[in-house]
Amino acid sequence: GAVVSQHPSWVICKSGTSVKIECRSLDFQATTMFWYRQFPKQSLMLMATSNEGSKATYEQGVEKDKFLINHASLTLSTLTVTSAHPEDSSFYICSASRLAGGPSSYEQYFGPGTRLTVT
Amino acid sequence: AQSVTQPDIHITVSEGASLELRCNYSYGATPYLFWYVQSPGQGLQLLLKYFSGDTLVQGIKGFEAEFKRSQSSFNLRKPSVHWSDAAEYFCAVGAWIQGAQKLVFGQGTRLTINP
Repeated sequence: GAVVSQHPSWVICKSGTSVKIECRSLDFQATTMFWYRQFPKQSLMLMATSNEGSKATYEQGVEKDKFLINHASLTLSTLTVTSAHPEDSSFYICSASRLAGGPSSYEQYFGPGTRLTVT
Repeated sequence: AQSVTQPDIHITVSEGASLELRCNYSYGATPYLFWYVQSPGQGLQLLLKYFSGDTLVQGIKGFEAEFKRSQSSFNLRKPSVHWSDAAEYFCAVGAWIQGAQKLVFGQGTRLTINP
């Protein structure tokens, strides 16, 4: 149980275009979803936290207008990279947590990641 | 502020040898601790977690970790590594930050296995 999928697994887009990445919890309702960015050989950098039906909360330094997050349902969140540029190329990972009560609510289930390359 | 330190960026061990990956945390309250593993180009998989109780926790793939409050540590161990254990390992602490339950990750330790 607790499977999270991401689509696409990799995408190449041209500079100036937008790309959307989907994150789905397949067998549970995700009260909170997280979007991370990971540079090669580095740790995960949290970009934003979103709750279903609410606006996402972005981490300091993350451009809200460039990285649009929509958490439309308890099983789906999307990240749209708008007007992408080569410096946006990265590995994007989503995760989800569920309302389990107590410390289990901290546990996050991760998707397989999306490799974005902007040319 | 909460933080996680993994002192070893890269560790190399021989197949069949024992392994210990270090993790130190800084958190004011009772820590909720996690170890995740990431294979190249993949997401993160939970190896084990500690919430309370027995300070030695067992996880998947033969891994275990010991919580030591006095040392603020949560080191990951495996008695005998396999070539398939080569991956990146992340220690994390659960923290209530800006109204949300988040994970604070360490920098990761890359494990290489020599045949």
